[in-house]
Amino acid sequence: GDSVTQMEGPVTLSEEAFLTINCTYTATGYPSLFWYVQYPGEGLQLLLKATKADDKGSNKGFEATYRKETTSFHLEKGSVQVSDSAVYFCALRGKTSYDKVIFGPGTSLSVIP
Amino acid sequence: ETGVTQSPTHLIKTRGQQVTLRCSSQSGHNTVSWYQQALGQGPQFIFQYYREEENGRGNFPPRFSGLQFPNYSSELNVNALELDDSALYLCASSLVSQVNVLTFGAGSRLTVL
Repeated sequence: GDSVTQMEGPVTLSEEAFLTINCTYTATGYPSLFWYVQYPGEGLQLLLKATKADDKGSNKGFEATYRKETTSFHLEKGSVQVSDSAVYFCALRGKTSYDKVIFGPGTSLSVIP
Repeated sequence: ETGVTQSPTHLIKTRGQQVTLRCSSQSGHNTVSWYQQALGQGPQFIFQYYREEENGRGNFPPRFSGLQFPNYSSELNVNALELDDSALYLCASSLVSQVNVLTFGAGSRLTVL
């Protein structure tokens, strides 16, 4: 079945450091890909998405490119801030309204001043 | 936009009891899905409702059931609670025409003793 794999955390970075969180997926067809963020004590918020190969999703300085050839959707940010500390989930969803969202296990990020 | 609200935010039950969790979807959203998020893990899809009928289900036993009402609210019911049911339960709503735009609530934290 479809699945999502993420790099294990926790990840600890200094403020203004470069961030990469790796994500790879296994799916039939061409799913849509997402990054969600979960701040402490809160639900999930959609950070960015890409719906077809070579699409780049971006939001709040974060970027991820849908790579069909490597089945990857790595999250990057050039300069992290303390406020970026959260858990990040990579996810996929098929193309129909019946398809569920499949989440990866999450990667915890801590940014220290 | 009214967002997605869930209640209660926290509750404690004992094994064998039954629980009902409630969700008020974003106005106009005709699809609602429920997810279980165990501590330190990614959310797992429980089921989805569209126009008050279940149209997708994950690998959860029948003691997990749901309802969707015409006013966009919904319920998740869990019977015969087990210790492993302790988790954060997330509700997400969307428009069937915009399957990639899920709005999540903050969740209900269930502890089973």
